[in-house]
Amino acid sequence: AQSVAQPEDQVNVAEGNPLTVKCTYSVSGNPYLFWYVQYPNRGLQFLLKYITGDNLVKGSYGFEAEFNKSQTSFHLKKPSALVSDSALYFCAVRDMTGGGADGLTFGKGTHLIIQP
Amino acid sequence: SQTIHQWPATLVQPVGSPLSLECTVEGTSNPNLYWYRQAAGRGLQLLFYSVGIGQISSEVPQNLSASRPQDRQFILSSKKLLLSDSGFYLCAWRGPSSGNTIYFGEGSWLTVV
Repeated sequence: AQSVAQPEDQVNVAEGNPLTVKCTYSVSGNPYLFWYVQYPNRGLQFLLKYITGDNLVKGSYGFEAEFNKSQTSFHLKKPSALVSDSALYFCAVRDMTGGGADGLTFGKGTHLIIQP
Repeated sequence: SQTIHQWPATLVQPVGSPLSLECTVEGTSNPNLYWYRQAAGRGLQLLFYSVGIGQISSEVPQNLSASRPQDRQFILSSKKLLLSDSGFYLCAWRGPSSGNTIYFGEGSWLTVV
């Protein structure tokens, strides 16, 4: 079975400071890893993904994430936070072997609050 | 480009009434389709997925059912709603043009009263 842990319910960052939203995962095979963002009462928007290749992946709105296989982590980062980055962020995983349900397993989400 | 439409956006239904949420995808063929439920603004739970017309897999036992009458149409239904069915329902798709990425609709808020 696959699982995702987002250890922080909420992360508070001052505008202009770097931000990190943490994610660790567990899969039996190799992972496909994703980050999504959700604004209030909206659907999920895709930010970035890791499939294979370079461990540092860049995505939308200046976000990036680093895949660390030894630590089974995929933390989301941004060098300089904006107030508009305030939202709910989800990490998700899919086992590359394709076993089990064809869908993503999500973490519980992390509220990111950027303070002016 | 591909788009996903989901409706209605909000719905208030009495306990025991039926439910029908619809989702359609445009701009792609033979997508995989998904229904997720999000409770209390947090985690998402996969309810159903479909890899083709008439092919439905259920991930959790529940009061809901899904159908796929056409290639790009996915419907979430219930014959009799329960209070516990309240939540935010999200339709999603993945297809040849999206690679391994799943894209979501804007969601439907269901309140059962």
